[in-house]
Amino acid sequence: DQQVKQNSPSLSVQEGRISILNCDYTNSMFDYFLWYKKYPAEGPTFLISISSIKDKNEDGRFTVFLNKSAKHLSLHIVPSQPGDSAVYFCAATNRYNNNDMRFGAGTRLTVKP
Amino acid sequence: NAGVTQTPKFRILKIGQSMTLQCTQDMNHNYMYWYRQDPGMGLKLIYYSVGAGITDKGEVPNGYNVSRSTTEDFPLRLELAAPSQTSVYFCASSYSTRGPRTDTQYFGPGTRLTVL
Repeated sequence: DQQVKQNSPSLSVQEGRISILNCDYTNSMFDYFLWYKKYPAEGPTFLISISSIKDKNEDGRFTVFLNKSAKHLSLHIVPSQPGDSAVYFCAATNRYNNNDMRFGAGTRLTVKP
Repeated sequence: NAGVTQTPKFRILKIGQSMTLQCTQDMNHNYMYWYRQDPGMGLKLIYYSVGAGITDKGEVPNGYNVSRSTTEDFPLRLELAAPSQTSVYFCASSYSTRGPRTDTQYFGPGTRLTVL
């Protein structure tokens, strides 16, 4: 079963505008969430994370928001740059099993110049 | 410092053949992981290791075996390849006493495996 869902397979935005990538989860045991970025022919690279004790975490142009009641998180990229074009994966871990990380299917972001 | 390296990059197997996917990291990380990514899907954990001599099953371990005799190496063995094992395989490592929940995982570039 898909416990982490990214319902938008792709997103296209103009350079300089905001990109918003969404992620939903079903398992209430998840308490730590991560975003990874992946370029073609490379492995994923860690981008930003958030613990369930917070509702926002910011790192430069990247901000992750967590809405626990809705079991929803989002990644905001402001301003978007062409180099941000990649596949973004949302992932979540279980408080009872640190190594059980579940990934969403990914959203392909294209930032147009 | 090469990070996480995986070999081969590509491989085509016939049904029933066996092979070993190699993974090496030079960051002295204690945790290592194997994931597979099927088309249109997220990564799924196959096996992981918290240190040399210690391995454990992930979400999708069937059809695979692993060993961890050194800190650096974590090979993944497919004994009887099946078409369902056609996927991209990623190895990752992290330095952690708590697993991936708060520690950055570093991924290799992946091995694309096709079983015909």
